[in-house]
Amino acid sequence: GQQLNQSPQSMFIQEGEDVSMNCTSSSIFNTWLWYKQDPGEGPVLLIALYKAGELTSNGRLTAQFGITRKDSFLNISASIPSDVGIYFCAGRSGNNNDMRFGAGTRLTVKP
Amino acid sequence: GAVVSQHPSRVICKSGTSVKIECRSLDFQATTMFWYRQFPKQSLMLMATSNEGSKATYEQGVEKDKFLINHASLTLSTLTVTSAHPEDSSFYICSVTEAYYGYTFGSGTRLTVV
Repeated sequence: GQQLNQSPQSMFIQEGEDVSMNCTSSSIFNTWLWYKQDPGEGPVLLIALYKAGELTSNGRLTAQFGITRKDSFLNISASIPSDVGIYFCAGRSGNNNDMRFGAGTRLTVKP
Repeated sequence: GAVVSQHPSRVICKSGTSVKIECRSLDFQATTMFWYRQFPKQSLMLMATSNEGSKATYEQGVEKDKFLINHASLTLSTLTVTSAHPEDSSFYICSVTEAYYGYTFGSGTRLTVV
């Protein structure tokens, strides 16, 4: 489906640093989801957001559903080597089948 | 969320042969499943929507005669790459969708056509 605008495309950081990535869209979404994909694997859901303004944490991960419902960000604090992978945002409107994906942010963490 | 099993995880086939990839929803009755293709360092590209008991819906530019999809039961969808060629080499991923959890993905199939 149509993609969201996800940035940055890639990040190279030192272990211990914090990371921030975001997605924007011209369309309004009812749900924002963040996935992580390890090499050779399918994406795995990290965080799901269901309300505008919602801020949700999952361990070192924090994500927010933008108040305009057109954007979301994902923060990773104190990065570790196993955070390496590709992070995808996804937005869903009312219909379950109408899911759109960002192009992904490739994260590299240097020990 | 749903548990999705995809098989095989890797397959190497000769050019001209056909390859079948299975996607199973282990604990969820999925009337709809999705098939994606992913090239190296790129995002997921939706290929088709698999509908239980009816024909699949293909995205623009995806050849339905080349990528045959069968969704004969609520727990199984298959993607068959027919007469595979090296350019069909890619990472294929299936998913199911749930109202609360969004998409749950299979672990993917790495297809290499030699």
